[in-house]
Amino acid sequence: GQQLNQSPQSMFIQEGEDVSMNCTSSSIFNTWLWYKQDPGEGPVLLIALYKAGELTSNGRLTAQFGITRKDSFLNISASIPSDVGIYFCADTGNQFYFGTGTSLTVIP
Amino acid sequence: GAVVSQHPSWVICKSGTSVKIECRSLDFQATTMFWYRQFPKQSLMLMATSNEGSKATYEQGVEKDKFLINHASLTLSTLTVTSAHPEDSSFYICSARKAGGSRYEQYFGPGTRLTVT
Repeated sequence: GQQLNQSPQSMFIQEGEDVSMNCTSSSIFNTWLWYKQDPGEGPVLLIALYKAGELTSNGRLTAQFGITRKDSFLNISASIPSDVGIYFCADTGNQFYFGTGTSLTVIP
Repeated sequence: GAVVSQHPSWVICKSGTSVKIECRSLDFQATTMFWYRQFPKQSLMLMATSNEGSKATYEQGVEKDKFLINHASLTLSTLTVTSAHPEDSSFYICSARKAGGSRYEQYFGPGTRLTVT
């Protein structure tokens, strides 16, 4: 199956700081999805990317689909405490494969 | 909206018993539903894909006779863990794809925490 590696594995930041995380794949993607999962909850879709090079924003979140189609990054600007959670990138294809996740902790 | 519910939200059962988990799409019809398992501090692993009215497709390594999936209607899929063992303890999450919607987007339920004693 496809491997989706996310880095960093975890982050501890001060409230107000910007955050950047990325996801790399062993194969080419046609779509990148970014999800956030709160503890004990199911994932919630944040951003969907459909074209290589595409840059999409959703409020304080910005994500880009890498030109090589093997990577994507997610940026969060001016972090707030409710940004705490685990962020996953996901592949679609015919099924869903989730990345290894980046755990974000925001210190007030 | 696109709301997916799961019931129960948590369950404790004894080893050897079976437990059923329900996944419902509350405000849309879902031709396809997915079942995932998530162990602590790990990512989601797809277990199976179920299409309404047909047999589920299981991922490699997932025992179909142990994890019975039924998708009898466009709003309900069930996962039954049969003869549960402690190693089946996990967080089970379902998701649903809207009928006629984007094939790339899934809506997730809140998950069911299963503990087998």
